[in-house]
Amino acid sequence: QKEVEQDPGPLSVPEGAIVSLNCTYSNSAFQYFMWYRQYSRKGPELLMYTYSSGNKEDGRFTAQVDKSSKYISLFIRDSQPSDSATYLCAMKGSYDKVIFGPGTSLSVIP
Amino acid sequence: GAVVSQHPSWVICKSGTSVKIECRSLDFQATTMFWYRQFPKQSLMLMATSNEGSKATYEQGVEKDKFLINHASLTLSTLTVTSAHPEDSSFYICSAISITGVTEAFFGQGTRLTVV
Repeated sequence: QKEVEQDPGPLSVPEGAIVSLNCTYSNSAFQYFMWYRQYSRKGPELLMYTYSSGNKEDGRFTAQVDKSSKYISLFIRDSQPSDSATYLCAMKGSYDKVIFGPGTSLSVIP
Repeated sequence: GAVVSQHPSWVICKSGTSVKIECRSLDFQATTMFWYRQFPKQSLMLMATSNEGSKATYEQGVEKDKFLINHASLTLSTLTVTSAHPEDSSFYICSAISITGVTEAFFGQGTRLTVV
């Protein structure tokens, strides 16, 4: 079993839709959970960062962490064509290496 | 957010030569830096973890003699691809975690390496 699993998509939604991206993980030592957005041929850009369980909201983005289920989500409200990218979940324990999911390719259609 | 600068952003080299890629944390000190490799339409594959002042820890299957990592200071780590071959052509990305060790990881812009 991979440490972090994520549906690779591709996911295609109409502009304005709510997008739900999810990851599951197996290592209960993970405490820090991150979502990155990566455009083609660019380095990943940090979107959201959450410590332990709970919700965090930043503009149109909401990150949720459920440690009991080992499940994290990223919601994008009012999706825009500029949101089209690959979204990577990532997680780590304290002082540990960052482990990435395989990424979900998202296309928002105007 | 914190800034990580990676240089060069792209490089073309001849087969058999070596290429050095630099990763700098510009506004924070990073005890730990990570080097990733990414093939087209695939996720980031961790190659090695670089700790300041000590030897890098390589992931299984990564040749440490081919991918030399040096983390000489709290703001600089380098990856040298030695005797590069066309199959080494890839997108290489570094990331850094601040000295506190409990924050998110910040990424460089990536280096597109093409070996001809």
